[in-house]
Amino acid sequence: ILNVEQSPQSLHVQEGDSTNFTCSFPSSNFYALHWYRWETAKSPEALFVMTLNGDEKKKGRISATLNTKEGYSYLYIKGSQPEDSATYLCASNTGGFKTIFGAGTRLFVKA
Amino acid sequence: GAVVSQHPSWVICKSGTSVKIECRSLDFQATTMFWYRQFPKQSLMLMATSNEGSKATYEQGVEKDKFLINHASLTLSTLTVTSAHPEDSSFYICSAREASGGYNEQFFGPGTRLTVL
Repeated sequence: ILNVEQSPQSLHVQEGDSTNFTCSFPSSNFYALHWYRWETAKSPEALFVMTLNGDEKKKGRISATLNTKEGYSYLYIKGSQPEDSATYLCASNTGGFKTIFGAGTRLFVKA
Repeated sequence: GAVVSQHPSWVICKSGTSVKIECRSLDFQATTMFWYRQFPKQSLMLMATSNEGSKATYEQGVEKDKFLINHASLTLSTLTVTSAHPEDSSFYICSAREASGGYNEQFFGPGTRLTVL
């Protein structure tokens, strides 16, 4: 994989549903993986930065895992709320410190 | 903390005019700032990296004479789109990295929507 790919592109869930999405990134020269939450008309907000294979991070109802050997990260949201509606971006840093972004997963949570 | 502002949030201009976009780190010193461009449903694409007091480094395919970047202080970087044309219409967003920042952590502005008529 040469690019950072996120799936699905968009996701519609009901309030209370748990959901997850995927970020695939180049596994060679891996340095760090970032997740951002981006609400419309606001700045992307950093959620997690992950560096070690097997890392798991949690912030409230949101958690993320990292597999650097196979080049993927999952973001989980437990009990989705309407305020979770946003675009979730992941970004990968390689050894050259260049950041490559995925196109994002747009989450819509219906009350 | 770590707030980045960007101004203007949207701008409409006529073809042939120049537009300046400002990116400010409000509560930290940003030794490095990044400028990205995003087309609909696509990824943020890095245009250039600017370090305070030195010339910006442009990504391949980005015209440095078209997109002028100045990073004159540790809290301000500007992007000027010169002689704008309709194909320059896009969403431009900046980010900043602290001098002490680790793992290339970046803090983003809210972006600028540019429409060239």
